[in-house]
Amino acid sequence: DAGVIQSPRHEVTEMGQEVTLRCKPISGHNSLFWYRQTMMRGLELLIYFNNNVPIDDSGMPEDRFSAKMPNASFSTLKIQPSEPRDSAVYFCASSLETPGSYEQYFGPGTRLTVT
Amino acid sequence: DAKTTQPTSMDCAEGRAANLPCNHSTISGNEYVYWYRQIHSQGPQYIIHGLKNNETNEMASLIITEDRKSSTLILPHATLRDTAVYYCIANYGQNFVFGPGTRLSVLP
Repeated sequence: DAGVIQSPRHEVTEMGQEVTLRCKPISGHNSLFWYRQTMMRGLELLIYFNNNVPIDDSGMPEDRFSAKMPNASFSTLKIQPSEPRDSAVYFCASSLETPGSYEQYFGPGTRLTVT
Repeated sequence: DAKTTQPTSMDCAEGRAANLPCNHSTISGNEYVYWYRQIHSQGPQYIIHGLKNNETNEMASLIITEDRKSSTLILPHATLRDTAVYYCIANYGQNFVFGPGTRLSVLP
């Protein structure tokens, strides 16, 4: 199994530009998560989907952030316009949600730098 | 806020057992205890989880106290590659809240 795949692995962009992060979950998993990690705030859940439907987006910082999951094998996290404070590592994770079993499997992350 | 408290850091000698404690005194009856670890620059890695009973897998053992207010993750024979930040999470469902974790350093 290839695991969760994220692209790009590194992204450097200028303030005001649009940034799109991509994620391919593990095949057969029905839940997908986007997290952000910074030194100051640690690892934060931004949004999660179940069966391609957004279930909880309360962690999305503001309207500049949006996430989509058009099908079971692909999701995007978009930041428009980007700001320097968005610099962080963004992780995607997936899980097979079954009662009593919610272990999530994380991708390698995308390191975003906004200058 | 995370529902768990963990020591900020711990050291362990290579080859010895590493015992990482976690306090979750407000855990609800249906909440599981999960352990993850994050090796530098990598995504968090699932280790083990449990509800009431002690659990063991190829990576570690999880000991949960009878009152479920605390637990201990045991790495039976720590290696240098086990140096990482270890996160303990008490949760029902998918909305994991990661605290700062315990930074475990395995020393040669």
